[in-house]
This record gives sequence, structure tokens and C-alpha cells, in this order.
Amino acid sequence: EILLTQSPGTLSLSPGERATLSCRASQSVSGHYLAWYQQKPGQPPRLLIYGATNRVTGIPDRFSGSESGADFTLTISRLEPEDFAVYYCQQYDTSPLTFGGGTKVDIK
Amino acid sequence: EVQLVQSGAEVKKPGESLKISCQCSGFIFTSYWIAWVRQTPGKGLEWMGIIYAGDSDARYSPSFQGQVTIAVDKSSTTAFLQWSSLKASDTAMYYCTTSYSRVNRFDHWGQGTLVTVSS
Repeated sequence: EILLTQSPGTLSLSPGERATLSCRASQSVSGHYLAWYQQKPGQPPRLLIYGATNRVTGIPDRFSGSESGADFTLTISRLEPEDFAVYYCQQYDTSPLTFGGGTKVDIK
Repeated sequence: EVQLVQSGAEVKKPGESLKISCQCSGFIFTSYWIAWVRQTPGKGLEWMGIIYAGDSDARYSPSFQGQVTIAVDKSSTTAFLQWSSLKASDTAMYYCTTSYSRVNRFDHWGQGTLVTVSS
């Protein structure tokens, strides 16, 4: 099973600031099979990024994904008020599919 | 528009059985896989299993194998998650999601069904 470790657990930032979220896999995730989700209170997760770097249609371009080996990064270039939420990574390279523990981005 | 509408919140006692549902619309049901994901404060998001709606081929996470049953009804384009004997540790929010293949990302999500198991 591929374990995903997200850091930091909480990121306290102000609107307009840049957010950098990390997701480290316990082993190589081949084929860039890594997705990012956003979850707000009382809502289901929403897919933002797939294939490590591809934005879902309709997701603002302030959200971007990158990878370097087993390390994946979600960057929000300038935080908008609606971006304060919890973010999860998920690998879909091998079964069982696994999620990271999440990073909460809250208002400083 | 893709929609996954889940059944309402449930409160059950340990040992009771339960079947929750996920009514799907806006896509070709029999061409997709439907997965179930559990969310708890302690363990976060956990993939439970997935089923191909076209032929009911179901696969389970080792953590949930034998604990739950996933099924679909093609006539009503509905997916189900079922327990035969609930435990307190089954208390969680459960989401159904769509996937293009057996091992893939989750594109669309239901609104969630909160299951509470308490004596």
C-alpha cells in the first residue's frame, strides 16, 4: 500500500498570500497518478488536479500541481477567501487507492 | 449534469444491518465504476471499494473486505453500500464517487451519508 504524507498539517495564511502544500509518497507513483482535492466544511471533496499537474475544467489557474520524484506539490498562487479549506492528495497508481491525511489552509 | 444523490443520515444500533444508496444520473451509468469512500475524523478519507456498474464486478480494499458489500441496480442507476452487522467503529460519513476505471481518480462525489452507530 502506498502511504501519502501531507505537510504541513495546518497552514495559516492571509488572503493574497501563496500557499505551498506537500504530499510525499512512500514509494514511486508511476504515471503521475496523483490527484488533489479540496474539501470545505459540510461538503464532499472536489477534484482540483489530476495526473499530478492537470487542472480540472473550471478550476482557477491560481491552482497548480507539480511533482519531483515521489514528492508532489499543490500551489495556490494567491489565496482567495474561498480557498480556505482542507486539501487532500490521492494516489491512483496501485490498489488500494490511498489518500493523504490532509492539509488545512486557514486564515491567519 | 452528473449527479450522485445519496440517501439520508442513519442512526443504528450495533449488530443491526444497513443499506445506503447512491442514485446516479447525468452519465452512462453502466460505463463507469462507482466507489465508496469513508471519512472519519481519526482516519481521514479511506477508499472502501469499487464496482463496475456494467457487470457488477466489485473490488474491495483489504481493510474493508468481508466487512461491507457493494452492489448496483442498473434499472434504477443506483449503487449501494451494505453492512450485515454494524459496529460502533462504522460511525462515519460515507461518500459515493464516480471513476473512469478500477484504479483512478474520483471525478464526481455524492453529498455524503452520515451513519451513526450507537447503543
